[in-house]
Amino acid sequence: SQTIHQWPATLVQPVGSPLSLECTVEGTSNPNLYWYRQAAGRGLQLLFYSVGIGQISSEVPQNLSASRPQDRQFILSSKKLLLSDSGFYLCAWGGGHAGGKETQYFGPGTRLLVL
Amino acid sequence: DQQVKQNSPSLSVQEGRISILNCDYTNSMFDYFLWYKKYPAEGPTFLISISSIKDKNEDGRFTVFLNKSAKHLSLHIVPSQPGDSAVYFCAAKNTGTYKYIFGTGTRLKVLA
Repeated sequence: SQTIHQWPATLVQPVGSPLSLECTVEGTSNPNLYWYRQAAGRGLQLLFYSVGIGQISSEVPQNLSASRPQDRQFILSSKKLLLSDSGFYLCAWGGGHAGGKETQYFGPGTRLLVL
Repeated sequence: DQQVKQNSPSLSVQEGRISILNCDYTNSMFDYFLWYKKYPAEGPTFLISISSIKDKNEDGRFTVFLNKSAKHLSLHIVPSQPGDSAVYFCAAKNTGTYKYIFGTGTRLKVLA
């Protein structure tokens, strides 16, 4: 069965510090990978998605970036965090091609607090 | 532009009764819809989905209804249980793309 891991679970960082959140998927190959953010009291905002190694699509212009160095690894980064980057970050995977009706499955999330 | 809307931020229902959560969308290209349940500090859990070729899909206590002409879907939970208390998100997808668009969520509270 497929499993998705995220770490760390919680992170407190000062403004201006760098960020690296990691997501890995087990039990599947060539997944489509996604990063979402849920700000306090808000819905799920799609940040990035990737359909293959090295392929990143950005949905919202901001000071965050994403990379996919391996098939089942997705990394969210920032060089300098802002207060507004605080939120709950979720990684998700979905199988297959764009024409499919695949379900999307989520990891446990990382709570980021920028002070 | 919010393409998927959940206009009720919260809902309270008595245990054993029916919970009805609503979702509206604006993009007529969406052809696949999903409902997720989310507890605090956890990732969303998939509940049920429906393709635009259907108007109803059932899975145990959960039923999703799709009204394409009204661009509206709803999730019915019968009977509601205290463990159903969570935030529910609807999501929509155009199967020609990779993107899932989520609503803002509805917080359901089932009262014992």
